[in-house]
Amino acid sequence: SQQGEEDPQALSIQEGENATMNCSYKTSINNLQWYRQNSGRGLVHLILIRSNEREKHSGRLRVTLDTSKKSSSLLITASRAADTASYFCATDYSGNTGKLIFGQGTTLQVKP
Amino acid sequence: DGGITQSPKYLFRKEGQNVTLSCEQNLNHDAMYWYRQDPGQGLRLIYYSQIVNDFQKGDIAEGYSVSREKKESFPLTVTSAQKNPTAFYLCASSITAGGEQYFGPGTRLTVT
Repeated sequence: SQQGEEDPQALSIQEGENATMNCSYKTSINNLQWYRQNSGRGLVHLILIRSNEREKHSGRLRVTLDTSKKSSSLLITASRAADTASYFCATDYSGNTGKLIFGQGTTLQVKP
Repeated sequence: DGGITQSPKYLFRKEGQNVTLSCEQNLNHDAMYWYRQDPGQGLRLIYYSQIVNDFQKGDIAEGYSVSREKKESFPLTVTSAQKNPTAFYLCASSITAGGEQYFGPGTRLTVT
């Protein structure tokens, strides 16, 4: 399977702490994307990082990409209770006709 | 949920009946997608369309059918041939294939 793998599957932290989620994939990519899903809702796009980029920031989010290790990480700094959600990475594989392959997700719980 | 509507939010059907899920977008996006999500799982691609009057099978197309007669609309029919249709169905669109995807709010289908 080309599907990316995420770890941890579940993460529980206190408000104010940082949360780090990791995503590994199997073949070369055009880009890697991170999405958030609140329970029972649609996904919301957070960040897209291209294969020639190593790091991107958006507010409290920091994404890194290491193409040599075929891995990416999403860091949420100073977490809030509202960050409680599932987070998915999705990869656009090179030569894959443009469809994204989603990982299984990391469920993040931020306790107030 | 960014200009994509899915209806209805909840849908109940008897086994053996076909059912059509609606997906409409007003974002002028070329590409549209249908995903299935089971509890605690990631997204699996059912069908996708990169342009009007054209669509491709995803990873789990058996028991499903789609049409793309208009740019704004990509309805999904869950047929009686789908062995386990109860799931959460998500529709998405993107400007181009492989890019950032915008998701609808989802339709939760229950078949008994």
